[in-house]
Amino acid sequence: QSALTQPASVSGSPGQSITISCTGTSSDVGGYKYVSWYQQHPGKAPKLMIYEVSNRPSGVSNRFSGSKSGNTASLTISGLQAEDEADYYCSSYTSSISSAVFGGGTKLTVL
Amino acid sequence: EVQLVESGGGLVQPGRSLRLSCAASGFTFDDYAMHWVRQAPGKGLEWVSGISWNSGTIGYADSVKGRFTISRDNAKNSLYLQMNSLKPEDTAFYYCAKSPYSSGWYPPDYWGQGTLVTVSS
Repeated sequence: QSALTQPASVSGSPGQSITISCTGTSSDVGGYKYVSWYQQHPGKAPKLMIYEVSNRPSGVSNRFSGSKSGNTASLTISGLQAEDEADYYCSSYTSSISSAVFGGGTKLTVL
Repeated sequence: EVQLVESGGGLVQPGRSLRLSCAASGFTFDDYAMHWVRQAPGKGLEWVSGISWNSGTIGYADSVKGRFTISRDNAKNSLYLQMNSLKPEDTAFYYCAKSPYSSGWYPPDYWGQGTLVTVSS
């Protein structure tokens, strides 16, 4: 069982927007700004899409945005494109245990 | 350009050992903490271990504590994972990942391509 909770799957049509949630506790997501989101295509390594809740690394499309409210972080993808179909994982710094934590992952399907 | 290249994976029998390596380039290796993260086939990401810039702070997931040992050689820009008493449930892709800070288990910012470890008789 993952420390952070994500929906197993989400879907949307091209051009639409979707949001993926990542729920933790006050010891991780809710207590720190260090929440990241990763995109992983089949057979590939994870790629950083969002860091420190809402910051985009250079080269990442501005269609990707992040936010946080309380113990839940969210990744929003606007203007869905076929290439966005992938698995998405959240991760947070945590003080509750001496380890990093990841969400269980969300499979995004572009219909 | 940051590059992380893992090596050392392969097929190993239960109870045996394996040592993974990660060659880092494109950044000042000894300025940053490093992680090992694994992913069983078809499953999610699982943090395995982390090491601070100077090896002063080391952490392990409960699932590998006492069996795996992380280390680094800053002179060689390399990260290692010694895996002993391997179990079938250790079968996974193992990723080397860079932390954005020198210590603490902050989410990684760069990942290698991974190396597959298969534990089977």
